[in-house]
Amino acid sequence: DAKTTQPTSMDCAEGRAANLPCNHSTISGNEYVYWYRQIHSQGPQYIIHGLKNNETNEMASLIITEDRKSSTLILPHATLRDTAVYYCIVRVAPSQGGSEKLVFGKGMKLTVNP
Amino acid sequence: DTAVSQTPKYLVTQMGNDKSIKCEQNLGHDTMYWYKQDSKKFLKIMFSYNNKELIINETVPNRFSPKSPDKAHLNLHINSLELGDSAVYFCASSQDLTTSGAKFFGPGTRLTVL
Repeated sequence: DAKTTQPTSMDCAEGRAANLPCNHSTISGNEYVYWYRQIHSQGPQYIIHGLKNNETNEMASLIITEDRKSSTLILPHATLRDTAVYYCIVRVAPSQGGSEKLVFGKGMKLTVNP
Repeated sequence: DTAVSQTPKYLVTQMGNDKSIKCEQNLGHDTMYWYKQDSKKFLKIMFSYNNKELIINETVPNRFSPKSPDKAHLNLHINSLELGDSAVYFCASSQDLTTSGAKFFGPGTRLTVL
């Protein structure tokens, strides 16, 4: 089961910053927060991930609260092409001899409006 | 330069048939996965392979048989197709079993069983 909760949907104006919230109150100390997005009819696309510190890359910024119970994905200047379902995922740590796996929840539909 | 590619993109077939979906990654990754996205858009892991060895089988019916001829390929063969197998199947790869890095997804194969 997914360990995160996100709003069902959100709208954002083109050119404005989009702040996507995520709650993960049961996260363990060694579990990463990942963000993926899925544009209609395409495969999921990796955006960013983090453990404790805030992270930034060419696509987005990830702000993780000090208690790690929530995080915010920031798209600094949203474009129409950013319209997608955004998944906030807590990566399940690999078990002995096993591999990590991403457990996707329902995600949040972000609609960027002109 | 497609990182993770899948063929075919669309597959329409009758119940009871056997079909295969092919996946290839050119990223030099050790680990590959199959995910299934059903009509409700939930994305669930089915299998993961590391260096051609099965690591995870998420209680998938044995009608589904993944095969990895080398670490760049992970094919999915499905026997005796059922209506409930209709879904979009995504292949993915990552550097190795336990890395915290990104997972790269293919474009998906939309399977429709009639």
